[in-house]
Amino acid sequence: AQSVTQLGSHVSVSEGALVLLRCNYSSSVPPYLFWYVQYPNQGLQLLLKYTTGATLVKGINGFEAEFKKSETSFHLTKPSAHMSDAAEYFCAVSDRNTDKLIFGTGTRLQVFP
Amino acid sequence: KAGVTQTPRYLIKTRGQQVTLSCSPISGHRSVSWYQQTPGQGLQFLFEYFSETQRNKGNFPGRFSGRQFSNSRSEMNVSTLELGDSALYLCASSLGRANTAEQFFGPGTRLTVL
Repeated sequence: AQSVTQLGSHVSVSEGALVLLRCNYSSSVPPYLFWYVQYPNQGLQLLLKYTTGATLVKGINGFEAEFKKSETSFHLTKPSAHMSDAAEYFCAVSDRNTDKLIFGTGTRLQVFP
Repeated sequence: KAGVTQTPRYLIKTRGQQVTLSCSPISGHRSVSWYQQTPGQGLQFLFEYFSETQRNKGNFPGRFSGRQFSNSRSEMNVSTLELGDSALYLCASSLGRANTAEQFFGPGTRLTVL
């Protein structure tokens, strides 16, 4: 069965620093890949999604992610962190065998001034 | 366009009771999914409904059930509540399948079981 691993349950960066949130999945078959963000006391919001085609995907709020098949990774990056980026980020992978969306356990991003 | 709404936002119940949570999807969305969110576990898929039919189900006991009405509104029921059922329950709606389309999430219902 498909699984998702998000390395680091907490990541802290300074404002203006690079943001890197890691996500690895288990399947060798390229799945659909998603990053969602959850702000405090809110539901999740889609940041970006990879289906097929270009492996570098640009999302909202300056985030982007690169699909690397050889590494089974889909890491999320942003060149310069803003205070407003503080939130919890979830990587999700579609399991083509079960048609389910499998979420990682999340990474909480803190941004310090 | 109104977003996904969930009612109630907060619930406190005691062990053994049952609870019903409600979700109204975005107008035009026929797929509704439910997730349980707990600290350290992330989001666990409960079920997905499409046009009043359960299209997929997660690995939860039979105490967890759901249904979808003809207007796409959905309810989730948990019977014989256990302490471990305390969680944030999120509902999401989408135009397509939950595992391939963008999902729009509601703010959740926070259930506390005492």
